Amino acid sequence: DTGVSQNPRHKITKRGQNVTFRCDPISEHNRLYWYRQTLGQGPEFLTYFQNEAQLEKSRLLSDRFSAERPKGSFSTLEIQRTEQGDSAMYLCASSPRGYEQYFGPGTRLTVT
Amino acid sequence: EDQVTQSPEALRLQEGESSSLNCSYTVSGLRGLFWYRQDPGKGPEFLFTLYSAGEEKEKERLKATLTKKESFLHITAPKPEDSATYLCAVPSYNQGGKLIFGQGTELSVKP
Repeated sequence: DTGVSQNPRHKITKRGQNVTFRCDPISEHNRLYWYRQTLGQGPEFLTYFQNEAQLEKSRLLSDRFSAERPKGSFSTLEIQRTEQGDSAMYLCASSPRGYEQYFGPGTRLTVT
Repeated sequence: EDQVTQSPEALRLQEGESSSLNCSYTVSGLRGLFWYRQDPGKGPEFLFTLYSAGEEKEKERLKATLTKKESFLHITAPKPEDSATYLCAVPSYNQGGKLIFGQGTELSVKP
């Protein structure tokens, strides 16, 4: 399977804990995006990378969130001191160039 | 501000009952409009890209069309397996291609 992969698919954590998600993009795609989606809403942009450079971060991305893409390959999204409001589906997408983006299956986060 | 609005929020059809979903957009400069299908608990699946007014794309029972202000996703003789949420999105003009999504239309097709 050469699509975008994300791990884990589901994560349940207690409030205050840290969590980290991983995204492996389609190989040779130099752009990688993170989105967050809550029930009944469309995905909302969080941040994006071109190769290893993080070029934009949304105001939704508080100081508790950090993302990396070492060597321009996979990416990680870390949430520190999770809050119940962080419960959502976290989606990763990659794009070769242009604007078409291909999404992974997502990581469902539940903060209890 | 770039904005995408979809209607209706939910649509229930009988199998074989054709209908259309609407996506209205406001963006500084259109660099494409994308349609995605999303099944429950999964990531969006890419369907179509439309780039200019008058353009049409088809895939099985789906046809997407584009005008200067909106796009339609026409569903002809739908089947229960077409049940999903359909999302449309446009790239934000100035900001690295991030997508601005509508809230989606949840389609349910009953046999």
